[in-house]
Amino acid sequence: EAQVTQNPRYLITVTGKKLTVTCSQNMNHEYMSWYRQDPGLGLRQIYYSMNVEVTDKGDVPEGYKVSRKEKRNFPLILESPSPNQTSLYFCASSLGDRENSPLHFGNGTRLTVT
Amino acid sequence: SQQGEEDPQALSIQEGENATMNCSYKTSINNLQWYRQNSGRGLVHLILIRSNEREKHSGRLRVTLDTSKKSSSLLITASRAADTASYFCATRSRGSTLGRLYFGRGTQLTVWP
Repeated sequence: EAQVTQNPRYLITVTGKKLTVTCSQNMNHEYMSWYRQDPGLGLRQIYYSMNVEVTDKGDVPEGYKVSRKEKRNFPLILESPSPNQTSLYFCASSLGDRENSPLHFGNGTRLTVT
Repeated sequence: SQQGEEDPQALSIQEGENATMNCSYKTSINNLQWYRQNSGRGLVHLILIRSNEREKHSGRLRVTLDTSKKSSSLLITASRAADTASYFCATRSRGSTLGRLYFGRGTQLTVWP
């Protein structure tokens, strides 16, 4: 089944403890992206990647890192999480080679930083 | 920000009625997409309309685009309780990198049986 898989679904952590949210897609998509969703703010783009080893900042990249060493994986890294990073995170992917490619989303990771 | 803005923020209707949601945006676009999100889940792509199109249909969905007003509408006809979800528009600006896709804040649709 074609899908974007995020792990974990839920994560509670403490301020400053490094964490990684994994994202994997099995559709051979070139484009992958991370969004965070907060009440009243909609979805805001954190980072995106047009292909392996190519990443770019979105609207809210501060406090996050990403890497794209292989086509299928696009992990989101929080080196030193803070409470304002408590949010619902979504990974998405698309073919990327055409501007009209729809995004396929994972089911989300709900992160709480205390 | 060139983020799209949906209107209304919330819409509550009875089964069988039509639901109309609007999206306004600020800059010239290449295309506009509508997505649906069931509570707490990932977004699902519904329909895409290109900047040179004015109307598009998919099943019970009808999308219109007015580039002169920088607005789009999503009409769901004969709504069902299962249509209850949040609906988001997303825009990709003309001239921007392919990677930048901007989402609005969404319309929460509730359909009562």
